[in-house]
Amino acid sequence: KAGVTQTPRYLIKTRGQQVTLSCSPISGHRSVSWYQQTPGQGLQFLFEYFSETQRNKGNFPGRFSGRQFSNSRSEMNVSTLELGDSALYLCASSLYPQETQYFGPGTRLLVL
Amino acid sequence: AQSVTQLDSQVPVFEEAPVELRCNYSSSVSVYLFWYVQYPNQGLQLLLKYLSGSTLVKGINGFEAEFNKSQTSFHLRKPSVHISDTAEYFCAVSVSQAGTALIFGKGTTLSVSS
Repeated sequence: KAGVTQTPRYLIKTRGQQVTLSCSPISGHRSVSWYQQTPGQGLQFLFEYFSETQRNKGNFPGRFSGRQFSNSRSEMNVSTLELGDSALYLCASSLYPQETQYFGPGTRLLVL
Repeated sequence: AQSVTQLDSQVPVFEEAPVELRCNYSSSVSVYLFWYVQYPNQGLQLLLKYLSGSTLVKGINGFEAEFNKSQTSFHLRKPSVHISDTAEYFCAVSVSQAGTALIFGKGTTLSVSS
């Protein structure tokens, strides 16, 4: 079975721009979560989606948003990028919420 | 609120030596506990998990961990490490009642040398 895939793998943007990251979960998995990883803050939970509904949200500003489609694929969007948004963004999928999460390779975003 | 503390940011060891990576958590409700490993420029790979039952959990690559409720700890151990175990290791908790959001520790870098 193919693992979690994330596109693109690398991205360079400038301050003020917006960005959309994509995540395709493991086939059959219906829950998708997003995490941000930075050297300073470590791994932080962004949000979780199940059946196209956001179930849980971390402590991030409203510039960070996401959605899930009927095929369980998910996207996250960051508007008005700031330098501090430079990070590795990880997507994880699970069969259902509260099941074990399996992570993708991440999208590395650099904001200049 | 829940939190996870990984007591060592870096652990250097020689090949074939035993290793223990320490993890303590804080939570007022039941938790699920996990260890993940991250190799350079890669995502996280699940090593093992504790959901319930036996407090000694065996995972992949020869790792095991023991859940100690009284000490709120979930230390990761391996009796003999290899060079290929060099990576960053993350302990995480999930609060069952609150959904799936994983709360991670800051990570421990394991460096294995010959």
